[in-house]
Amino acid sequence: QVQLQESGPGLVKPSETLSLTCTVSGGSISYNYWSWIRQPPGQGLESIGYIYHTGRTTYNPSLKSRVTISVDTSKNQFFLNLSSVTAADTAVYYCAKDMGTMPFPYKWGQGTLVTVSS
Amino acid sequence: DIQMTQSPSTLSASVGDRVTITCRASQSISTWLAWYQQKPGKAPKLLIYKASNLEGGVPSRFSGSGSGTEFTLTISSLQADDFATYYCQQYNTYSRSFGQGTKVVIK
Repeated sequence: QVQLQESGPGLVKPSETLSLTCTVSGGSISYNYWSWIRQPPGQGLESIGYIYHTGRTTYNPSLKSRVTISVDTSKNQFFLNLSSVTAADTAVYYCAKDMGTMPFPYKWGQGTLVTVSS
Repeated sequence: DIQMTQSPSTLSASVGDRVTITCRASQSISTWLAWYQQKPGKAPKLLIYKASNLEGGVPSRFSGSGSGTEFTLTISSLQADDFATYYCQQYNTYSRSFGQGTKVVIK
């Protein structure tokens, strides 16, 4: 049974880069799609983007200029970098394993709260 | 971008009620739609994928239907464990999008 765990700083200063790691256990990161999704406090879900194990990425157009998702198959990890953050980027960030040839999030990590504040 | 609109935003119901949540897409998404359940402080849980396919381990009282632009999630007999927020998500395009959520509360 695959498990996902997000990790990274819980506090980031405005204008800096938010960096998170998702560690996958109980299964290989290869031959799958992997997603990042976020949820501001008290609000709904927003897709950030996703990556195939080869490194091919797709990003939400509204975040595309600031987002980089990458993967390290040797460590069974994938990563999120979000640059030039503001208070509007404060959210719970989830990583997820996707399913299907038309992929969608299937198995989610528990999420990690990232607050943007000076 | 495809906009997803759920209705209602909040639904008040009693245990045993039949509950229906609607999700509308701003353009056709075929059947590329998933439904998730989220409880406070928890990650979303997949209920339905490809509009009508029940995820393994999900109770059969949950069902999904629809295609094109209109979709429904039905709970045939609401149980205490079902009070939660429900989200639809389209994955027809590379730019996925979620509905704003429907909160099911106790009447």
